[in-house]
Amino acid sequence: KAGVTQTPRYLIKTRGQQVTLSCSPISGHRSVSWYQQTPGQGLQFLFEYFSETQRNKGNFPGRFSGRQFSNSRSEMNVSTLELGDSALYLCASSATQTEASTDTQYFGPGTRLTVL
Amino acid sequence: AQTVTQSQPEMSVQEAETVTLSCTYDTSESDYYLFWYKQPPSRQMILVIRQEAYKQQNATENRFSVNFQKAAKSFSLKISDSQLGDAAMYFCAYRANYGGATNKLIFGTGTLLAVQP
Repeated sequence: KAGVTQTPRYLIKTRGQQVTLSCSPISGHRSVSWYQQTPGQGLQFLFEYFSETQRNKGNFPGRFSGRQFSNSRSEMNVSTLELGDSALYLCASSATQTEASTDTQYFGPGTRLTVL
Repeated sequence: AQTVTQSQPEMSVQEAETVTLSCTYDTSESDYYLFWYKQPPSRQMILVIRQEAYKQQNATENRFSVNFQKAAKSFSLKISDSQLGDAAMYFCAYRANYGGATNKLIFGTGTLLAVQP
């Protein structure tokens, strides 16, 4: 099976702009989670989607949003970019079967976002 | 709230030797999973090994094994016969497993492992 894919791999934006990142999970996986990785804050959970519904959300401002489509692909959007949003954004998928269960996550290669 | 602590920011090991990375965690739950992920310079996060809290037997995956001490809330990773390709950042992670839990992972701050030829 193909692994988790993320596009684009690199992105450069300026403050105030918005950005959309995309994640395609492993075939058959219905859960997609997003994480932000920075040198200062480490790896932090953004949100998780399962069957097009957000089922958990981390402690991030409302500028960070996401969605999941019927084919399980997910996008995350960051509006009004700030310098501090520069980070590696990682997507992970898992074979979670029900909305009340969990499973191991497998990560994509990440999108490196630089905000100037 | 659950927390994961990795107290060794950096470690170094000679090729073919054995190294142990430490991880402690804090939780009031009894049902959870623990993971070790490896992140090489490519930044791709790779699952190394996982341990279910209810399983007393320590998990092993080839040269990688864990020492899981539930009462002490300790979860160390042992890498045997270290290879140059083992050089990476290693993250310890926790995930709850009770009914209604989600896939949210809580990560430690990582241990950067260098392998000396």
